[in-house]
Amino acid sequence: DIQMTQSPSSLSASVGDRVTITCRASQSISIYLNWYQQKPGKAPKLLIYAASNLQSGVPSRFSGSGSGTEFTLTISSLQPEDFATYSCQQSYNARTFGQGTKVEIK
Amino acid sequence: QVKLQESGPGLVKPSGTLSLTCVVSGGSISNSNWWSWVRQPPGKGLEWIGEIYHSGSTIYNPSLKSRVTISLDKSKSQFSLKLNSVTAADTAVYYCARDLSIAAAGGTFPWFFDFWGQGVLVTVSS
Repeated sequence: DIQMTQSPSSLSASVGDRVTITCRASQSISIYLNWYQQKPGKAPKLLIYAASNLQSGVPSRFSGSGSGTEFTLTISSLQPEDFATYSCQQSYNARTFGQGTKVEIK
Repeated sequence: QVKLQESGPGLVKPSGTLSLTCVVSGGSISNSNWWSWVRQPPGKGLEWIGEIYHSGSTIYNPSLKSRVTISLDKSKSQFSLKLNSVTAADTAVYYCARDLSIAAAGGTFPWFFDFWGQGVLVTVSS
């Protein structure tokens, strides 16, 4: 099984900050890595697919990078609506999610 | 716009079977997609349960494989989840989702969950 580990588990940031979340895979997964945003009581929303491709309708302040075992999600300038939990997910072999990173208001 | 809607009992007794259905609208369930189940225990992260291809092929999370069955009913445009021998640890919000693949750079065909149902809370309790 492929394990996905995110860091940090939570972070506090202010509006306008640049935020970076890291996701590591227990083995190489090429670029088969997706990022989701989830707000309380809501279903996850796809942000980034295949490591760096922005899903249609997602603001350009979100970006993804990486390949192999290490990936990052960056929010260039945090907006009030971005306070949420972010999860990575691999689709290289079956499917596995990271444990999530909660972005809170500082 | 594809829409998915979960339904099923919100309360299941321990050792019983959890049964949920997901109805797909706005798109064909017969397209070349996987149709998935994902769950989220209260206050915890997302866990992939398994999925079914339009052909009927299935793949399951190894940690749940012995207890899970996912089936497809194309005539009703729906797919279903059965999880048996449930315990309190199976209490969660259960989501259905579409697992889509598209051609991407470098000849890759990544898969990702692009449409989700709103989720249904299932509590395991006597």
